[in-house]
Amino acid sequence: NAGVTQTPKFRILKIGQSMTLQCTQDMNHNYMYWYRQDPGMGLKLIYYSVGAGITDKGEVPNGYNVSRSTTEDFPLRLELAAPSQTSVYFCASSLQGYEQYFGPGTRLTVT
Amino acid sequence: DQQVKQNSPSLSVQEGRISILNCDYTNSMFDYFLWYKKYPAEGPTFLISISSIKDKNEDGRFTVFLNKSAKHLSLHIVPSQPGDSAVYFCAASVKNAGNMLTFGGGTRLMVKP
Repeated sequence: NAGVTQTPKFRILKIGQSMTLQCTQDMNHNYMYWYRQDPGMGLKLIYYSVGAGITDKGEVPNGYNVSRSTTEDFPLRLELAAPSQTSVYFCASSLQGYEQYFGPGTRLTVT
Repeated sequence: DQQVKQNSPSLSVQEGRISILNCDYTNSMFDYFLWYKKYPAEGPTFLISISSIKDKNEDGRFTVFLNKSAKHLSLHIVPSQPGDSAVYFCAASVKNAGNMLTFGGGTRLMVKP
């Protein structure tokens, strides 16, 4: 039981490039979330999903897109990367939404 | 507008003593509160939670207190251990379609041997 896995662990992007952050969970959780954490700050919700085929915006969705074609996978797409997207990205999953299980994070730098 | 605030960015405590971490919130619609612990280079891990219908929840060395009238919650760790050194985040949720969490900015706890 791996829990929530994220790839890659680290990535450096040039301004204007695109990439997809992968997130997979093996706990059969319906709820999945993407957060970003900037230095010295708390986590801010980017997008969330309450089940396959259903996604919705969180607090800071601009510059990102998501899809949820299966229960297990919830990829986050960055289009036209900007320096403001330099952050640590965490994916999480939950059975009912409250107690969320987090992945180890992806550290992204945009230069 | 920060709806969940942790006003102390850091706290240093001696091993064996009590650690008290505080959290304030502004949204009176929040009905569930959680504490997460985070080590460097790892994701946050769930520690303890409390529903708004309770004022205290205990789990081993960890106790969370909720004061709804003051919109304040606190996490007590007794006794503190060096392995408790981490960043602690409080989070709050309104029961809705996504049960989304709003996080505070975190408090770094350092427990000295």
